[in-house]
Amino acid sequence: QSVLTQPPSVSAAPGQEVTISCSGSSSNIGNKYVAWYQQLPGTAPKLLIYENNKRPSGIPDRFSGSESGTSATLGITGLQTGDEAFYYCGTWDRSLSVGVFGGGTKLTVL
Amino acid sequence: EVQLLESGGGLVQPGGSLRLSCAASGFTFSSYTMSWVRQAPGKGLEWVATFSGNILNSYYADSVKGRFSISRDNSKNTLYLQVSSLRPEDTAVYFCAKGPVADAFDHWGQGTLVTVSS
Repeated sequence: QSVLTQPPSVSAAPGQEVTISCSGSSSNIGNKYVAWYQQLPGTAPKLLIYENNKRPSGIPDRFSGSESGTSATLGITGLQTGDEAFYYCGTWDRSLSVGVFGGGTKLTVL
Repeated sequence: EVQLLESGGGLVQPGGSLRLSCAASGFTFSSYTMSWVRQAPGKGLEWVATFSGNILNSYYADSVKGRFSISRDNSKNTLYLQVSSLRPEDTAVYFCAKGPVADAFDHWGQGTLVTVSS
């Protein structure tokens, strides 16, 4: 069972918008930065969002992140079939020096 | 361009050992904390171990503590994971990752598969 809780799946039509939630507690998300990763089928994870809402260079602004209290949210606008993937939230617990991930959410673009 | 290339995976019997390697390039390896993250077949990501870049401390998930050992050779720009006393539940793709940097793993290798089976 993962430390961070994500919905197992979400779906939406091409061109639409979707959000993926990540729920934690005061000991993890509550005072840590959240990152989001995209894992396309058969590939390694790729960093999408770091420090709750920042995008690495090369990540389109269709992807956004937000955080509030003990929850975080990934938003994706203008959905494309190429966005079909698993999405994971995660953080590094600096006080315990452990990494934690959510269980992952499968995005289906119908 | 940051590149991370894992090697060393394979089929091993329960109780056996392997040494995984991760060759890094495209950044100043010695300056960065490095980690291993694994993914069992059809499952999510699980953090395994981290070796800090500055204070040279190592950290482990409870599930591997005492059985796995992370190390690095900065002269060779290489990260290692010695995996011992392997169990079937250790079967996974093992990814090398740069970080955490700002609480995130900002680059990942393509992974190496470890299969524990008799």
